[in-house]
Amino acid sequence: QQKVQQSPESLTVSEGAMASLNCTFSDGTSNNFRWYRQHSAKGLEVLVSIFSDGEKEEGRFTAHLNRANLHVSLHIREPQPSDSAVYLCAPNTNKVVFGTGTRLQVLP
Amino acid sequence: EAAVTQSPRNKVAVTGGKVTLSCNQTNNHNNMYWYRQDTGHGLRLIHYSYGAGSTEKGDIPDGYKASRPSQENFSLILELATPSQTSVYFCASGDARGAFEQYFGPGTRLTVL
Repeated sequence: QQKVQQSPESLTVSEGAMASLNCTFSDGTSNNFRWYRQHSAKGLEVLVSIFSDGEKEEGRFTAHLNRANLHVSLHIREPQPSDSAVYLCAPNTNKVVFGTGTRLQVLP
Repeated sequence: EAAVTQSPRNKVAVTGGKVTLSCNQTNNHNNMYWYRQDTGHGLRLIHYSYGAGSTEKGDIPDGYKASRPSQENFSLILELATPSQTSVYFCASGDARGAFEQYFGPGTRLTVL
């Protein structure tokens, strides 16, 4: 079964500075991935879905997928305090497995 | 727009009691899922379903049952609730076709005393 590891566990950045989050998966069985954001134990909000190696941008959120390295990252451009949340990555499969998340805090 | 609703949103139960968490989706998705979320563990899959009448064990099924009586409804049942089941529970529906979209409900906060 696919396992997903996220790093760092927590990240603090200043407003306007780039925030970078990482996700490593255990095998190459998944072809595409999704990044979610969750504010304070509320529902999950889909940020970016990426289906092939390379880059996918959705507004201020950019995902990079490198399947050869079993790695997907999320970069948040000009983060704002309202972006403070837990960020989760997961492969898009029938049985979705999540990483434990990265807690991002954006300071004003 | 895709919609997944959960009820109740908050529940306090006593140890040994029976708890039923309900989930309804109007997306006409075949797949539905129950997760629990705890600090340090992220989201963990309890049970899932591929359609009405089907239930499958996820990664942490012990102490939980699931029921999928219809395409729209998927219930999670705790026959004998324990304090270790205090958590936030999320339901999701997903479409296995194409790009596989998954949509989450708002969550149910369960406290077992």
